[in-house]
Amino acid sequence: EIVLTQSPATLSLSPGERATLSCRASQSISDYLVWYQQKPGQAPRLLIYDASNRATDIPARFSGSGSGTDFTLTISSLEPEDFAVYYCQQRRSWPLTFGGGTKVETK
Amino acid sequence: EVQLVESGGGLAKPGGSLRLSCAASGFTFSNYAMNWVRQAPGKGLEWVSSISHSADSINYADSVKGRFTISRDNAENSLYLQLNSLRAEDTAVYYCARIRGSSGWDFGYWGQGTLVTVSS
Repeated sequence: EIVLTQSPATLSLSPGERATLSCRASQSISDYLVWYQQKPGQAPRLLIYDASNRATDIPARFSGSGSGTDFTLTISSLEPEDFAVYYCQQRRSWPLTFGGGTKVETK
Repeated sequence: EVQLVESGGGLAKPGGSLRLSCAASGFTFSNYAMNWVRQAPGKGLEWVSSISHSADSINYADSVKGRFTISRDNAENSLYLQLNSLRAEDTAVYYCARIRGSSGWDFGYWGQGTLVTVSS
């Protein structure tokens, strides 16, 4: 099983600041890495697929990078609606696995 | 517009059973693989099971293998998850999710979820 480790667990930032979230895989997953955003009481929303491709209607301030075992989700300038929990997921092999999440909270 | 609506959640006793359903609309259901993902209260996301568009490929998380069964009815545009031998640790919101594109196991569309509570 591929284990995904997200860091930090919590990120305390102010609106307008840059957010950098990390996801590390226990073995190489090429670029088969997906990022989701989840707000309280809502279903997750797909942000980035295949490590660096923005999903439909996702703002350009969200970007993804990385390959192999190390991946990054960057939010260039935080908007109030971006404070949420972010999960990474690998689709390289079964079982599909998620990281434990990073909560981006208001400082 | 893609819509996924789960139903069938509720309270079950340990060792009991439930059947979850997911009604799909807004796309050609028979063309897409489908999935179940769950989230225990206050916890992260956990993949549960996936089924290919024609149901010829099915996968389960080890935590549910042998107890849960995924199925689909393409004529009815519906996805199902039969939950047997339920345990307290199965308590979670269960989401139905469609893959984003025509292939690739990512979750592009999600339902609102249905809560399963396992308690005596």
